[in-house]
Amino acid sequence: GENVEQHPSTLSVQEGDSAVIKCTYSDSASNYFPWYKQELGKGPQLIIDIRSNVGEKKDQRIAVTLNKTAKHFSLHITETQPEDSAVYFCAASKGTGGFKTIFGAGTRLFVKA
Amino acid sequence: EAGVVQSPRYKIIEKKQPVAFWCNPISGHNTLYWYLQNLGQGPELLIRYENEEAVDDSQLPKDRFSAERLKGVDSTLKIQPAELGDSAVYLCASSTTDRGQTGELFFGEGSRLTVL
Repeated sequence: GENVEQHPSTLSVQEGDSAVIKCTYSDSASNYFPWYKQELGKGPQLIIDIRSNVGEKKDQRIAVTLNKTAKHFSLHITETQPEDSAVYFCAASKGTGGFKTIFGAGTRLFVKA
Repeated sequence: EAGVVQSPRYKIIEKKQPVAFWCNPISGHNTLYWYLQNLGQGPELLIRYENEEAVDDSQLPKDRFSAERLKGVDSTLKIQPAELGDSAVYLCASSTTDRGQTGELFFGEGSRLTVL
């Protein structure tokens, strides 16, 4: 089955710097790669996603890149702010809607003011 | 629009006791998931429902865990008897297979279980 590995497990940056989180997946049939942000005491919330027919996607300060050949994808956060501090999860799944989503172990991001 | 609602938010029980968690998904979402989240880890799927049918329960420890989704709406997850290792957060999520939907999961805030 699918396996998703995520690095680093902890990331500390200064406010205004960029943060990069990297993930690899094992199942070449995976075609949907969402990123979730989880704040303390809350459930994960989708922040950005990308499909396998797209190499890069950007939404304001957040961007995701996908390399299907190497089976890895990355989250880039620019101009980090203290409110970006949270745990970020990458995930991989097949199809749309009701298919199994496999999560990485998470990256705890600290943004120091 | 109301989000996914879970209860209770917190539960503390003695080992060998039973416990149940309840989830109300977003209205109209036909797919419902129960995930287990251990401390410092990502969510792991326990069971997935399409309407009232459990279509993927391969990761559900069936000797002590059970789940149901009557009428294809609300769902309950039960553990009986609970063990110390069951201490974790139990997350419920829902999604829709309507055209144009990406596969985004909408999570509730979770039910944190502590087994003493």
